[in-house]
Amino acid sequence: GAVVSQHPSWVICKSGTSVKIECRSLDFQATTMFWYRQFPKQSLMLMATSNEGSKATYEQGVEKDKFLINHASLTLSTLTVTSAHPEDSSFYICSAINPRRQGSYEQYFGPGTRLTVT
Amino acid sequence: QKEVEQNSGPLSVPEGAIASLNCTYSDRGSQSFFWYRQYSGKSPELIMFIYSNGDKEDGRFTAQLNKASQYVSLLIRDSQPSDSATYLCAVSRSGNTPLVFGKGTRLSVIA
Repeated sequence: GAVVSQHPSWVICKSGTSVKIECRSLDFQATTMFWYRQFPKQSLMLMATSNEGSKATYEQGVEKDKFLINHASLTLSTLTVTSAHPEDSSFYICSAINPRRQGSYEQYFGPGTRLTVT
Repeated sequence: QKEVEQNSGPLSVPEGAIASLNCTYSDRGSQSFFWYRQYSGKSPELIMFIYSNGDKEDGRFTAQLNKASQYVSLLIRDSQPSDSATYLCAVSRSGNTPLVFGKGTRLSVIA
């Protein structure tokens, strides 16, 4: 299967600081990546769609100025949580579609980043 | 509003039995259907995908799709305690579109 990595796997930061999370597709090129957030005992909620070379598309209710997404290359997307607050503490997961087969749309997830804001 | 509905469970089955997980979706334009397994504290792991009506088998797993009824299911044969996890149903329209997830069904396989 395809491999998607995330870094860091966990991070603790102080309120008001910014945190950058990296998502990489290791063995395929991903023109599109997705960022999700998952609070305890809840399902994944899509935050934004990250497109290589263009601006991200944010879901309703997600502040684009707070959650900065940059898809700088076909294998890397970054999510920066700016001026983090305790309510931003969550499990952030990225995913990418592996276009290895035409008509194939399997989406693979990174291992996730657990963010704790104190 | 595109919705994916799953029974939250927990669904408890004895070891060796068949576990049946169900999912319904509201968007008739959905074309791709996925089942993910998520262990506590981990990210989802893709276990099955299905695009056409009917059954698709992969080892102990069988996915079933009925687009007319807007229903997709996952059967796990010979359930093992290691199958205990939350199973997420996800659908998408096609191509580079994001997945819409259900809230997941928690499965517990009792040894």
